[in-house]
Amino acid sequence: GENVEQHPSTLSVQEGDSAVIKCTYSDSASNYFPWYKQELGKGPQLIIDIRSNVGEKKDQRIAVTLNKTAKHFSLHITETQPEDSAVYFCAASRGGNFGNEKLTFGTGTRLTIIP
Amino acid sequence: NAGVTQTPKFQVLKTGQSMTLQCAQDMNHEYMSWYRQDPGMGLRLIHYSVGAGITDQGEVPNGYNVSRSTTEDFPLRLLSAAPSQTSVYFCASSRQGAGGYTFGSGTRLTVV
Repeated sequence: GENVEQHPSTLSVQEGDSAVIKCTYSDSASNYFPWYKQELGKGPQLIIDIRSNVGEKKDQRIAVTLNKTAKHFSLHITETQPEDSAVYFCAASRGGNFGNEKLTFGTGTRLTIIP
Repeated sequence: NAGVTQTPKFQVLKTGQSMTLQCAQDMNHEYMSWYRQDPGMGLRLIHYSVGAGITDQGEVPNGYNVSRSTTEDFPLRLLSAAPSQTSVYFCASSRQGAGGYTFGSGTRLTVV
């Protein structure tokens, strides 16, 4: 089955600086890669996702890049703010077809923004 | 539109007791799943369903049962609770092929 590794497990960044979280996956058939943000006491919330037919996607201060050849993808947060402090999870799936919706998650990165 | 609703939010069980964690969604999503979250281990898939009447096992199914009699509901049953099942449980749903999950707010379960 799929295996997703995520690094680093903890990350502290000065407010205003950029943060980068990296993930690798093992299943070459995976084609859908979402990122989730989990705040304390809440369920994970989808913040951005990318499919294998594109290499990069941006949404305001958040971007995700994908390298299918190397089987890794990354989350980039620019101009970090205190409200970015949370646990972030990457995930991968074969997605898009009936029965292929199963997501395999990384182990999470606790991001702390230092004021 | 409530999204994904999980009950209860907190539960304490004694070893050997059984209980059902409830999950309901009002988005007409075909796909539903249960994950458990443990420190340092991320989210691990317990069971999932691609539609009413269809369920399958995930990565860590032992000790849990599920059923899907309607599109809206996907309860998770603990047959005989063990301390190893102490965890936070999340239910999630998505439209077929859409990819992105909507998660519930979780149930924190402690087995003593």
